[in-house]
Amino acid sequence: GQQLNQSPQSMFIQEGEDVSMNCTSSSIFNTWLWYKQDPGEGPVLLIALYKAGELTSNGRLTAQFGITRKDSFLNISASIPSDVGIYFCAGSNDYKLSFGAGTTVTVRA
Amino acid sequence: DGGITQSPKYLFRKEGQNVTLSCEQNLNHDAMYWYRQDPGQGLRLIYYSQIVNDFQKGDIAEGYSVSREKKESFPLTVTSAQKNPTAFYLCASTQGLVQPQHFGDGTRLSIL
Repeated sequence: GQQLNQSPQSMFIQEGEDVSMNCTSSSIFNTWLWYKQDPGEGPVLLIALYKAGELTSNGRLTAQFGITRKDSFLNISASIPSDVGIYFCAGSNDYKLSFGAGTTVTVRA
Repeated sequence: DGGITQSPKYLFRKEGQNVTLSCEQNLNHDAMYWYRQDPGQGLRLIYYSQIVNDFQKGDIAEGYSVSREKKESFPLTVTSAQKNPTAFYLCASTQGLVQPQHFGDGTRLSIL
C-alpha cells in the first residue's frame, strides 16, 4: 500500500489559533479519513469523508475531500491544549487503508 | 461498552522467541486488521481478515502470522523470523467496505 504525503510534519501553535494540515496522494481514493492519536493510545476517528468535494465539520474540526479525489485537508479552529497529539490522514478504496506519516501538533498555552 | 481490546499493553520478547498479541472485539465487525507503527511513520498493514477463517497478507507480513478462528478474535504472532519487532502494534476492525476502521489502544513490543 502506498503512503500518503501529509504536511506539515509538525507544528507548534498558540492556544486560540486556527491550524490546517493536508494530505495528498498520487492515486485517487473513494474515502478519506482523519484520525487523532494521543501518546500510548490507538487512533481515534475524527471525521470520515465519502464524496469528492464534501466538506464536513465535527465541532471545531472541519475537513474536506478534494475534488480530484487525491487530497484532503483538516482545519482545527481556536486551538486548545487538548488538541495536542498526532493527526493522521488515511485514504481507502476497499477494506484497506493507506496512511500519512502524521502531523504532530503541540500547543503553547 | 462495545470496543476493541488489545492485550497486553506492554510485551517483552527474548531473542528467538515467538510472542502472541491478543485482539478481541465485541462490535460484531466482520473485518479485522493488524498494523505496525514506528516513530515518525504512518501505520503499516501487517495482515487483515475480512471474514472468519480467511486472512490476507498486508504490506509487511514477513515474520508475522495470524489466525481468525472466531469473528471476535484476531491474534497476531510475532515470530523469531521478524528481526526488528520493536514497535507499537495496533489492531482495528470495521463492519464493511465503506465503514471507517476503529482501533484498539495498542501493544508496545520491546526486545530484551
